[in-house]
Amino acid sequence: DAKTTQPPSMDCAEGRAANLPCNHSTISGNEYVYWYRQIHSQGPQYIIHGLKNNETNEMASLIITEDRKSSTLILPHATLRDTAVYYCIVRVFNDYKLSFGAGTTVTVRA
Amino acid sequence: GAVVSQHPSWVICKSGTSVKIECRSLDFQATTMFWYRQFPKQSLMLMATSNEGSKATYEQGVEKDKFLINHASLTLSTLTVTSAHPEDSSFYICSLPESGRGRNEQFFGPGTRLTVL
Repeated sequence: DAKTTQPPSMDCAEGRAANLPCNHSTISGNEYVYWYRQIHSQGPQYIIHGLKNNETNEMASLIITEDRKSSTLILPHATLRDTAVYYCIVRVFNDYKLSFGAGTTVTVRA
Repeated sequence: GAVVSQHPSWVICKSGTSVKIECRSLDFQATTMFWYRQFPKQSLMLMATSNEGSKATYEQGVEKDKFLINHASLTLSTLTVTSAHPEDSSFYICSLPESGRGRNEQFFGPGTRLTVL
């Protein structure tokens, strides 16, 4: 059963921020929110993760709602190389078996 | 983070033959590795967990006698698709977990595209 819900696709203009939503209304207290992306014909790549606080790294920012039922991945300045499928996954911290949903196909346009 | 390689990156074989795919951790020792399969326009599906020095554990619906997994060392896991058929054509991806730096990340290989004729 899918634990997360994401829009199937999204377009974004190059240089603009891309905001990718994810619903995880059944998230448990010990589950983290992880984001990965997969560029075409490559293996997935870790982006960011968080438990309840907002997080930022060199790639993106993660905003988690107070009730933890949804989150938003923000790519601050999208580039053409950010075109990929983005997966939002909830998992217990030390459970490495990942369950991938359909993800959001993000297309960055010049 | 961990660097993971796969070999070959792509392979084409005839129906009925066996194909071996290697997954190597180049800078990290992994007692556990994971194998995923991805059909065209679909998401990744976990196939099995490869355990160094012991038997692999397979997800429901994955035939262990068809997808042989060997994890003989801390840096190498192999997946052999035996008697491959066209329906086995897929993108096979391995991953290994790294618990350092507080991330508990998964590092994925670049994938192997298998085409069975």
